[in-house]
Amino acid sequence: SAVISQKPSRDICQRGTSLTIQCQVDSQVTMMFWYRQQPGQSLTLIATANQGSEATYESGFVIDKFPISRPNLTFSTLTVSNMSPEDSSIYLCSDGGGMNTEAFFGQGTRLTVV
Amino acid sequence: AQTVTQSQPEMSVQEAETVTLSCTYDTSENNYYLFWYKQPPSRQMILVIRQEAYKQQNATENRFSVNFQKAAKSFSLKISDSQLGDTAMYFCAFMKRQRIQGAQKLVFGQGTRLTINP
Repeated sequence: SAVISQKPSRDICQRGTSLTIQCQVDSQVTMMFWYRQQPGQSLTLIATANQGSEATYESGFVIDKFPISRPNLTFSTLTVSNMSPEDSSIYLCSDGGGMNTEAFFGQGTRLTVV
Repeated sequence: AQTVTQSQPEMSVQEAETVTLSCTYDTSENNYYLFWYKQPPSRQMILVIRQEAYKQQNATENRFSVNFQKAAKSFSLKISDSQLGDTAMYFCAFMKRQRIQGAQKLVFGQGTRLTINP
């Protein structure tokens, strides 16, 4: 089973600032997935990150707002830019399951924008 | 596009009772996986059980079992002998199966908040 370390676990940020969330996987994975979970809601995919290429964003999410880096096969970051209170959510990264089909998740980052 | 629907926003049962959570989905795919994930207050997503669509036999993991009805596109979760530690949000999720195994995105239902009362 994969272990994904995500940090920070929580943060309170001022509107207009940016926060970068990091995910470290204990094994190499081809793709990483970033999800947003708004308060009391389900998980919605933000983007899929491949190593060495630009991330693929889902409808409603744009690179300028959620830039993603994937410098190698074990690490990825998601930045939430120019934050507003509407960005207050839990953000989770996942390895997507790979060969085993079971997807493992980071512990999540609870972001509050004030 | 795939959709997953959980029609029960909240459920509450007494400890040791059996509870069934409902999930329906819509897809034109023939090969896929279905999952139930548990999310306790710690926010960690924990896999409860998974079902491969090409397998007719329902998956079972200890106290957790599913009723998978492929034709009806239904995938319910039964928790037997419920315990206080089962209290959590439960999400039903869908994943396409690729011929070459690889990472795939999950499509989640809205979730069911399950409370087990002592």
